[in-house]
Amino acid sequence: DVKVTQSSRYLVKRTGEKVFLECVQDMDHENMFWYRQDPGLGLRLIYFSYDVKMKEKGDIPEGYSVSREKKERFSLILESASTNQTSMYLCASSSPGQGQTRDYGYTFGSGTRLTVV
Amino acid sequence: SQQGEEDPQALSIQEGENATMNCSYKTSINNLQWYRQNSGRGLVHLILIRSNEREKHSGRLRVTLDTSKKSSSLLITASRAADTASYFCATSGAGSYQLTFGKGTKLSVIP
Repeated sequence: DVKVTQSSRYLVKRTGEKVFLECVQDMDHENMFWYRQDPGLGLRLIYFSYDVKMKEKGDIPEGYSVSREKKERFSLILESASTNQTSMYLCASSSPGQGQTRDYGYTFGSGTRLTVV
Repeated sequence: SQQGEEDPQALSIQEGENATMNCSYKTSINNLQWYRQNSGRGLVHLILIRSNEREKHSGRLRVTLDTSKKSSSLLITASRAADTASYFCATSGAGSYQLTFGKGTKLSVIP
């Protein structure tokens, strides 16, 4: 069964800590994404990557960085965690789709609920 | 960035009834997708409709797309308690890798 695996379901970290959220996919997908989901705000794109060692900023990249050293793994890094980064973090992957149409669906992980205290 | 907006925000129906959710968006799209999210879990892809398509079916799901009105609807027929979840529309712009999601419709199906 193909899947996207996020390393932790729940995580509690202290303000100022450096936090790593790991995501691994086994579908050989080129594209990977990190979103955060907050009540009333929906899903917001933090960063995405369309190839190994490539990364692009999404809508809310401030306070975050990413790393993609291998095709199957995409890590989200909170350099210095703050309470406003308490959220549900969702990783997703997709293939580029056929031709130029970019027709693809995302496969999501189960999410990591991060609490920063 | 463009964003889909779902309507209504919440919907409560009896088991066996049909559920209709709507999505509106602002700019030209390449395709529109619908996802389901069970409480506290990740999203699951349901169906994709391309900008040159008007209607698509998958099991009990029917999606329509009206690009002139920049809107889409998701119909779930003969709903079941297991359909209780939040439903999101997501849009992909021309040449874009990423999807932009709406805020979702929370569907409750009462047994």
